[in-house]
Amino acid sequence: DAGVTQSPTHLIKTRGQQVTLRCSPKSGHDTVSWYQQALGQGPQFIFQYYEEEERQRGNFPDRFSGHQFPNYSSELNVNALLLGDSALYLCASSLWPGSTDTQYFGPGTRLTVL
Amino acid sequence: RKEVEQDPGPFNVPEGATVAFNCTYSNSASQSFFWYRQDCRKEPKLLMSVYSSGNEDGRFTAQLNRASQYISLLIRDSKLSDSATYLCVVPRDSGGYQKVTFGTGTKLQVIP
Repeated sequence: DAGVTQSPTHLIKTRGQQVTLRCSPKSGHDTVSWYQQALGQGPQFIFQYYEEEERQRGNFPDRFSGHQFPNYSSELNVNALLLGDSALYLCASSLWPGSTDTQYFGPGTRLTVL
Repeated sequence: RKEVEQDPGPFNVPEGATVAFNCTYSNSASQSFFWYRQDCRKEPKLLMSVYSSGNEDGRFTAQLNRASQYISLLIRDSKLSDSATYLCVVPRDSGGYQKVTFGTGTKLQVIP
């Protein structure tokens, strides 16, 4: 049983560019949440997708957008990259939106913005 | 007051010691709480869930104090392999969906 997978594992971009990160949930999970974790900080909730719609959103600007596909996989898009967007981006899947106790994290994508 | 606050540490303890971390939360309506463990440069992994007064799993005990709005994690007989960052998580329900807030984490280093 594959767990949560994310791609790519590492990414280097320059300021102003755009980036797309991908996530495949654990088998049987239909809810995907995205988090940003800066160095030395806890993960910050970006948004949650369920039934192909954004259901909850944290305090992130509109430059952060996402999508969920019919197979429950998800993408995180960040436009107009800033130096401060450098972080580990974690995807987590769960059985349903309210089930934090079933939440599994992927290994993350480490984004560096130069 | 921050939604979730933790002492960042680091806590440096010898093997075999007992160590406890606290996590305070601001939303009195929160019903469930979680402790995650995160190893260096790895993803967080669920350690324990707390729904009522507490939970125990082997050497690990989590307790909830609703009146003072904090949860604690107690680790007995610390092992070198317990060295990690421990993250407190407090979900906030909103119409059947949840916004999940992580604390900044408490770093534990168990010393031989």
